[in-house]
Formats: sequence, C-alpha cells, structure tokens
Amino acid sequence: GQQLNQSPQSMFIQEGEDVSMNCTSSSIFNTWLWYKQDPGEGPVLLIALYKAGELTSNGRLTAQFGITRKDSFLNISASIPSDVGIYFCAGQAGISNFGNEKLTFGTGTRLTIIP
Amino acid sequence: DTGVSQDPRHKITKRGQNVTFRCDPISEHNRLYWYRQTLGQGPEFLTYFQNEAQLEKSRLLSDRFSAERPKGSFSTLEIQRTEQGDSAMYLCASSLFNTGELFFGEGSRLTVL
Repeated sequence: GQQLNQSPQSMFIQEGEDVSMNCTSSSIFNTWLWYKQDPGEGPVLLIALYKAGELTSNGRLTAQFGITRKDSFLNISASIPSDVGIYFCAGQAGISNFGNEKLTFGTGTRLTIIP
Repeated sequence: DTGVSQDPRHKITKRGQNVTFRCDPISEHNRLYWYRQTLGQGPEFLTYFQNEAQLEKSRLLSDRFSAERPKGSFSTLEIQRTEQGDSAMYLCASSLFNTGELFFGEGSRLTVL
C-alpha cells in the first residue's frame, strides 16, 4: 500500500538537542497526525493538525500542517531519553467534521539518543 | 484502562492454521480500524467499520482474511490458512465519527512458522 515519505529515516542525537523531521506526500491531505511508537507497542497519538498552515504544540513538540497540504513537520525541543522511538506521520484525505477515512502512514523516523 | 485492547498480544502458529484476533475499541467510538505493520514499515490499512458496517477493505485483505464487527462493539479479524507472509503486527484502532484522531491498541503480533 501507499506510504508517505518521511525524512530522515533515522536520527542519532545527544540529549538536550532539538529534533526536526518532515513528511511529504504526492497527494493532498486534509488532516495530518503525528504518532510515536515504542518497540512492541501500538502507535500513540502526539499531535493532530486540521488546517493548512496550522502550527500546534504539545509540550516540547511542535507540528505544522504545510501550506500546500502535501507536507507536515514535527519538531522536538530539548530532547530527553523518553523521546527515543519511531515517529510516524499520517495523512487523512477525508474532510474533517464529515467523518473519518483511513489514515495513510509514513515510513517512520527512528530517533536514538546517544549517551 | 479504557483504551483500545487487543487479544492475544502474541500468537505463534504453524503455516496452514487459522488464527483469530479480537479488538475491543474505546466504548464510545463508533469507528474501528484494522492495520497491519511489518518490521521497519509504517502501519498499512486493512479495513474499517462504522458501527457494524464494514465500509472499506484494502486490496491487502485477501480472501483468506475476514473481519467482523457483529454488534458494533468488538471486532474480530480472522486469517485462514496462514502463510509465512502473514507474519506481522496486527493493529486495531478506534475513533469517533467526527474526528480524524485514531487511537491504537497495543497490537497482536503474529508469527507463522
């Protein structure tokens, strides 16, 4: 099935550094979401974005819905050990408030913190 | 715990056997989704229900796969005549009708020997 392109595939950073990752699509989405997945667990929702250009924060996490509606960005400030994991973007083509459609997921960005 | 729950968490089976996974969504959520995730990949959509109606099925869902949600609450995903290529994590998610936010369970990992 289709998967969105996420960049970078993996990141190795030191604790305290800021992190940036992005997700691109060849088609337009009306909703963008970011999830974090730990090994052996299901994805956990971090941030949801519903409007082009929207910038939303959740603690140290900030995500943006690209103005073209074909991309999204996630930033993590002052990384801590519990930020380790795989981050997935997901796009939804359905129009919000009219019901859900399936999510299409990205290929993931694996974040590792170097001691 | 009022989140999405899946059972079993792990299943090891021999090729050719049938397996069934169960998903209990968040109680007030009327939409339920099944996804499959293989190592190093993001989750891939299989099918979803609104209440008891199955609204969409992916081409990934071969005729050996069947999903049901008979009373609009819990759902089952059955795989018949399992193949080694079916080895994956099977994820269930639920949501309310008017939001794009899917909440996932912890997944059921299937290993076909």
